[in-house]
Amino acid sequence: DSGVTQTPKHLITATGQRVTLRCSPRSGDLSVYWYQQSLDQGLQFLIQYYNGEERAKGNILERFSAQQFPDLHSELNLSSLELGDSALYFCASSVARDSDWQYFGPGTRLTVL
Amino acid sequence: GENVEQHPSTLSVQEGDSAVIKCTYSDSASNYFPWYKQELGKGPQLIIDIRSNVGEKKDQRIAVTLNKTAKHFSLHITETQPEDSAVYFCAASGDSGAGSYQLTFGKGTKLSVIP
Repeated sequence: DSGVTQTPKHLITATGQRVTLRCSPRSGDLSVYWYQQSLDQGLQFLIQYYNGEERAKGNILERFSAQQFPDLHSELNLSSLELGDSALYFCASSVARDSDWQYFGPGTRLTVL
Repeated sequence: GENVEQHPSTLSVQEGDSAVIKCTYSDSASNYFPWYKQELGKGPQLIIDIRSNVGEKKDQRIAVTLNKTAKHFSLHITETQPEDSAVYFCAASGDSGAGSYQLTFGKGTKLSVIP
């Protein structure tokens, strides 16, 4: 158990809908990272927050957004969902501002029908 | 941006044999190279990492080597056990601009250890 929690574990929704994925980092970790894992693209970095502020952006679509709250939990919002958004979404956390020693959560499996 | 290539994509070894997974990276500014193990239905788990000022690092049956000149790094697992069966990912990280760091992952290697 990495200490990172993610909810929900599974999510099934329809095209065009909007969903919110939630992540609670390990106690004491200030950085939260979001990744998308799909069979064709592998593990791709989406976005990082550090202590409430956006730190780095990767291959995140404009339909996706994230935020980190004062209690350090983070939410990833996915809107206007398409079939191709079906994937595993992982959250990771680290103590540092930068990417060293990232601990991953168990993931949320999103299925868009 | 950074590009990480990982080989092989699948690897089968007999229990007790060694396994080697290789990765190459493109950005000479990358200076941090972690390896992750992902078991079925779970998130990736960091198993070992190496920084660019070190050529080799070992932790029990797992070792990682780094060749900065050739821009490649490898994971070595000795005396493999069935519980080593999983997907292994390499990654690279460095300053991608404005002091921002992010991990770029390889596509993964599915390791099967045959009892």
